[in-house]
Amino acid sequence: QSALTQPRSVSGSPGQSVTISCTGTSSDVGGYNYVSWYQQHPGKTPKLMIYEVNKRPSGVPDRFSGSKSGNTASLTISGLQAEDEADYYCCSYAGSFTFVFGGGTQLAVL
Amino acid sequence: QVQLVESGGGVVQPGRSLRLSCAASGFTFSSYAMVWIRQAPGKGLEWLTLISYDGSKTYYADSVKGRFTISRDNSKNTLYLQIDSLRAEDTAVYYCAREERLTSEYWGQGTLVAASS
Repeated sequence: QSALTQPRSVSGSPGQSVTISCTGTSSDVGGYNYVSWYQQHPGKTPKLMIYEVNKRPSGVPDRFSGSKSGNTASLTISGLQAEDEADYYCCSYAGSFTFVFGGGTQLAVL
Repeated sequence: QVQLVESGGGVVQPGRSLRLSCAASGFTFSSYAMVWIRQAPGKGLEWLTLISYDGSKTYYADSVKGRFTISRDNSKNTLYLQIDSLRAEDTAVYYCAREERLTSEYWGQGTLVAASS
C-alpha cells in the first residue's frame, strides 16, 4: 500500500492547460478503472472532481478531465482559472476493498 | 442533501483510546459502505478503513490494522472509528465519507485529533 506518486507542484497561467500525473502500479492504478481526483482548497474538505478515471460528478466544469494509460492516471485542467488554485489528490482502488492516495500536487495559477 | 458530521476529536494523551463518530443524514445510511480518511497537518490524504453497508465486512490499511476499528450502528445512522494506543503520528483531521462505486463522493467536514501529553 505505497502512496501513488504525484508531482509536488505544477503551475500555469490563466487560460492555459495543466496536467497532473499520478503513477502507481499494476496492483492499483494499472489494475482497475477506479481512479478518482479530489480538489482541496486550504482549510476545506476535499471535493470530488473525477471518478472512475474520466467521469465528472454533476456540477464539476468540463474543463476538468481525467485519463489513464498503463499505471499512470492524469488530471487535465483546461482554461485555467484563479479559483483552480488548490491541492489535488488522486486516489486509486487497490483491491480487496482498500484504496491508496497520491501525495498531492499543489497547483499554482500564476 | 447528504450530510456527514464527525465528532469526538480533541487533545488526547498518547497511549489512550478515542472513539470518533460520524452522524449521517440525507440518505439511506444502511445502503452504503462508509470509509474513514485522515490528513495530518500540512500533509496529504491517507485512506484508513472501509466498512460494508451492513457492517459485516471491514477492511483496513496496513498502517492502522490492529489498532483502529471501524463500526457502524445503522439504527442510529452513525459510523464510528475506535483508535487504540494513540500515537503522535495519529495527529490529523479525520474525515468520514460515503462510498459508492468505489468512490468517496461525500465527505464530512472532519474532526481534529491531536495526540499530546
